[in-house]
Amino acid sequence: EPEVTQTPSHQVTQMGQEVILRCVPISNHLYFYWYRQILGQKVEFLVSFYNNEISEKSEIFDDQFSVERPDGSNFTLKIRSTKLEDSAMYFCAGRYGGALETQYFGPGTRLLVL
Amino acid sequence: KQEVTQIPAALSVPEGENLVLNCSFTDSAIYNLQWFRQDPGKGLTSLLLIQSSQREQTSGRLNASLDKSSGRSTLYIAASQPGDSATYLCAVRISGFQKLVFGTGTRLLVSP
Repeated sequence: EPEVTQTPSHQVTQMGQEVILRCVPISNHLYFYWYRQILGQKVEFLVSFYNNEISEKSEIFDDQFSVERPDGSNFTLKIRSTKLEDSAMYFCAGRYGGALETQYFGPGTRLLVL
Repeated sequence: KQEVTQIPAALSVPEGENLVLNCSFTDSAIYNLQWFRQDPGKGLTSLLLIQSSQREQTSGRLNASLDKSSGRSTLYIAASQPGDSATYLCAVRISGFQKLVFGTGTRLLVSP
């Protein structure tokens, strides 16, 4: 069964550094998402991406964040200048679209900002 | 603003019990509701999705119901097994939006 994959599984970075989190969605998915989960808290929506542009974003997704799908397979989340509060598990998700509504999530990247 | 709450926060049961997990949401204008399972330190596995027009969905030992007008959903797990131990999350997709709004989760422990 196809799966969403994410790399790296863990990343430790220094505050102020740029990080790029990578995701390979399921083939033929049309909608892509990033969510995050700070330890002990709810899963929170960051951004959705469709037809090569952002379709929706949360108030968390400020100018420090960006997403792109550079080659039609990878889907990336970039954090330009990391803060301590960016430490969280970041999940990529996707869905086919149309009547197929289920969002399929990847295993996550655990980001620790020191 | 849509708020999603799950009760109980934690549940411990012996193997074989049937159990019910509850999810409530404040705004009934939803497109669908999805139940997930999350194992410690892992990603989210989709269990069931109920469209707003549906009343329930079943998959194996799992049955999810939806009462949109009262803002409630329940996940029924029949004949629980130790392998069912995980955190169960419900999430609603608000009408007109792409995002899922997640609940607080119920941590389930099924002991042998």
